[in-house]
Amino acid sequence: AQSVTQLGSHVSVSEGALVLLRCNYSSSVPPYLFWYVQYPNQGLQLLLKYTSAATLVKGINGFEAEFKKSETSFHLTKPSAHMSDAAEYFCAVSDPGGGRRALTFGSGTRLQVQP
Amino acid sequence: DSGVTQTPKHLITATGQRVTLRCSPRSGDLSVYWYQQSLDQGLQFLIQYYNGEERAKGNILERFSAQQFPDLHSELNLSSLELGDSALYFCASSVGLDLSYEQYFGPGTRLTVT
Repeated sequence: AQSVTQLGSHVSVSEGALVLLRCNYSSSVPPYLFWYVQYPNQGLQLLLKYTSAATLVKGINGFEAEFKKSETSFHLTKPSAHMSDAAEYFCAVSDPGGGRRALTFGSGTRLQVQP
Repeated sequence: DSGVTQTPKHLITATGQRVTLRCSPRSGDLSVYWYQQSLDQGLQFLIQYYNGEERAKGNILERFSAQQFPDLHSELNLSSLELGDSALYFCASSVGLDLSYEQYFGPGTRLTVT
């Protein structure tokens, strides 16, 4: 079964600093990979996704992620943090095979941005 | 606003009871997914319907069931409720059958079982 590991349940950065949120997955075949953001008292919003096209994926709000098959990683980065980036971030992987309808989520990383 | 609506926003009920959560997808979306978010188990996929048919099943308990109606709204039924069922329940909708299509999440229903 596939699984997702997000290193660091809490990450704190200064405004303007690099954001790096780590995600590693295990899957028997290359999956679809996703990053979602959740603001307090809201549902999830898709930041970006990898579906076997370009390995460097650009998303909304200046975020990007790189699919590295050899490292089974899909880390999320943003060059310069903004106060509005403070939220919880979830990495997710699709079920393997032809279906690709079920998501397995990581445990989430709460990002704090210090002024 | 994602365009997905969920009712009610909050629900408080007692153990052993049964509740129904409702989800209206975005206009034109045929898929509805249900998710549970709890402190213990994190975010979990429960079930997916596409155009009225069940198409994928995740960690959904036997006490839980769902359906999608001809107008494409969906209901998640939770019965014989236990304290551990307290969670935020999200639905999401998408236009297509698989995850290559973006899912749009509703604001969730917060269920508290006392």
